[in-house]
Amino acid sequence: QLYLVESGGGLVKPRGSLRLSCAGSGFTFRDYYMSWIRQAPGKGLEWISRISNSDDKMYYADSVKGRFTISRDNAKNSLYLQMNSLRPEDTAIYYCVKDRHYDSRGDLFHYWGQGTPVTVSS
Amino acid sequence: QSVLTQSPSASGTPGQTVTISCSGSTSNIGKNYVYWYQHFPGTAPRLLIYRSDQRPSGLPDRFSASKSGTSASLVITGLRSGDEADYYCATWDDSLSGAVFGGGTKLTVL
Repeated sequence: QLYLVESGGGLVKPRGSLRLSCAGSGFTFRDYYMSWIRQAPGKGLEWISRISNSDDKMYYADSVKGRFTISRDNAKNSLYLQMNSLRPEDTAIYYCVKDRHYDSRGDLFHYWGQGTPVTVSS
Repeated sequence: QSVLTQSPSASGTPGQTVTISCSGSTSNIGKNYVYWYQHFPGTAPRLLIYRSDQRPSGLPDRFSASKSGTSASLVITGLRSGDEADYYCATWDDSLSGAVFGGGTKLTVL
C-alpha cells in the first residue's frame, strides 16, 4: 500500500518561514520524481515545485521561485519544501505528490498525500 | 488565470453523459500527455486518467478521455450522485518548464 504523509504545516506570520516534510512508503521512492502542489481556499490546484529522482533537477512555479526550495533525502524516503518569505497568498493546503518514474518522460502525478494546511497571517 | 481552460461548471442528471473539456496550447497539451483528477473537497485528489486516455486499474469504465491537438476531454457516462466533485486537467508545459492545471470544473448531479 502506497503512503505519502505530509507534516510541518501550521500558522506562520507574513515574511516567516516554514519547512514541510513528506514521508513516502510503499514504492521505490528513489526511482520517482516528486512534486508539491497546493490549493488555496476557494481556488484550484496549483503545481509549485518538482524534483528529479536523483536530486539533480528542480523546477519551480514563478509564484514561489526564489522563496521556496524543494529537496529530498532518498535514504529516508522523504521530500521537503523549505518556504521562506511567506505571504498571505501562500495560505493553502500543500500536497506531496508522487510524480513520474525517472524512466517515463511525460508522465505526471499518480498519487497524492492528504495534504498539510499552511496559514500565513499576522 | 489558469494556463489550461476549463468551464467552471457542468451538470447532468443521474444516468446522463457529461463531457468536461480542457483547452491549452502547443507548448502544453499539444506536446504532452493530459492527466485528469477528481477532487472531493477536504480529500486527496484522485487520478482518473493518465497519458491522455488511460484509466488506472480499478477505475470504472464510465470514465474515459481523449486528446486532440491542443484540447482534451473527459467523458463521464451513467452519471451518479457520487460523481459530484471538482475535476481538473493537468499537463506539462514545455515553455514554462512546469506543470499546469486547468481551473477546475465543478460537476453537479441534479
